[in-house]
Amino acid sequence: QVTLRESGPALVKPTQTLTLTCTFSGFSLSTSGMCVSWIRQPPGKALEWLALIDWDDDKYYSTSLKTRLTISKDTSKNQVVLTMTNMDPVDTATYYCARMINYYGSGSLDYWGQGTLVTVSS
Amino acid sequence: QLVLTQSPSASASLGASVKLTCTLSSGHSSYAIAWHQQQPEKGPRYLMKLNSDGSHSKGDGIPDRFSGSSSGAERYLTISSLQSEDEADYYCQTWGTGSLVFGGGTKLTVL
Repeated sequence: QVTLRESGPALVKPTQTLTLTCTFSGFSLSTSGMCVSWIRQPPGKALEWLALIDWDDDKYYSTSLKTRLTISKDTSKNQVVLTMTNMDPVDTATYYCARMINYYGSGSLDYWGQGTLVTVSS
Repeated sequence: QLVLTQSPSASASLGASVKLTCTLSSGHSSYAIAWHQQQPEKGPRYLMKLNSDGSHSKGDGIPDRFSGSSSGAERYLTISSLQSEDEADYYCQTWGTGSLVFGGGTKLTVL
């Protein structure tokens, strides 16, 4: 049974760095094809992709946010960590992690975490 | 550039069928996509992966009322026998050239 769960602060101040952890079970991020991605959704808005890390430790970032994002994994702990620097109120959103299997270059997010709401405010 | 285009809204009556569309940008008509459902105040749920030939594989527990089909650059999600709980936002998603892309979502209203 695959599960993912996001954890991190509910409130951060402007200019601070946000650190979110995705803890997963039911699969191994060292298995070929396995990937974990971060996605966010501002209140009332659409889903926005942030970053993805794969089984080979390759990392991919949203073009618009790549200067602020860092994704990493700890395979032994079954965790993926996302950091986002210089937080702003417009970054207020629910942050999700999700699993993707890269199958011959195509990929679908097939399991999602329940999400964690992060509010940026002084 | 890989882009997915969805109509912002759709509506259909209780018990009827509805077909939602996701269009791949030029040059990407062979790409597979995924459909996701997001009910009000809930997180997204994976519905299915849909290939360019129309073959699809559904997620755990997804009812037979949900099906997918393809034509050229268009990917479709058909929901039959609409129920009130099908009222939700529906997103298509794909992966390619190091980028994960979402469509803007379609808000489905069940009348």
